[in-house]
Amino acid sequence: DGGITQSPKYLFRKEGQNVTLSCEQNLNHDAMYWYRQDPGQGLRLIYYSQIVNDFQKGDIAEGYSVSREKKESFPLTVTSAQKNPTAFYLCASTGEETQYFGPGTRLLVL
Amino acid sequence: QKEVEQNSGPLSVPEGAIASLNCTYSDRGSQSFFWYRQYSGKSPELIMFIYSNGDKEDGRFTAQLNKASQYVSLLIRDSQPSDSATYLCAVNMFDRGSTLGRLYFGRGTQLTVWP
Repeated sequence: DGGITQSPKYLFRKEGQNVTLSCEQNLNHDAMYWYRQDPGQGLRLIYYSQIVNDFQKGDIAEGYSVSREKKESFPLTVTSAQKNPTAFYLCASTGEETQYFGPGTRLLVL
Repeated sequence: QKEVEQNSGPLSVPEGAIASLNCTYSDRGSQSFFWYRQYSGKSPELIMFIYSNGDKEDGRFTAQLNKASQYVSLLIRDSQPSDSATYLCAVNMFDRGSTLGRLYFGRGTQLTVWP
């Protein structure tokens, strides 16, 4: 089945810890995105990548980092510099001008 | 500043009624518009997209676009309790200096359909 997978479903972070969220797609899409969603809020763009080995900051990139070494994969690292990381993180990819979402990762701080 | 505005709701309608969800956007040059449905605790799923002025129908859903008024809406006919969710409007807009667009999302309208 074609689609977008994210892991883990839930992630717990300790103070000062970096954590990495996985996003993989087998849709052969060039563009991939990371969003953050807080309760009652819309989606805010963290980073996006249009092609392999290239990515751009979105609206709230501080405290986050990404890499795009393969077309299928776009992992997001939440660094210790992100002081309020608790949120629902959504990965998406775009094909034929339409954006599709993975199931999401919920990040909680211990 | 790129903006997509939606009424946050909540919008409450009885089963079988028509639910009307509205969205306005700031960039007059936008060309593509999307509606997503998001159930509580789940990720958004695409319902409709529309590119041209006028109406586009898909089953019980109708998207309406008026580019002159910078307005897009979603009508849900014969609303069912299973339609209860948050509906997100998304508009493709171009950042200054960029040749590639990106989606801007509204905050969503929470819809409740009661039996």
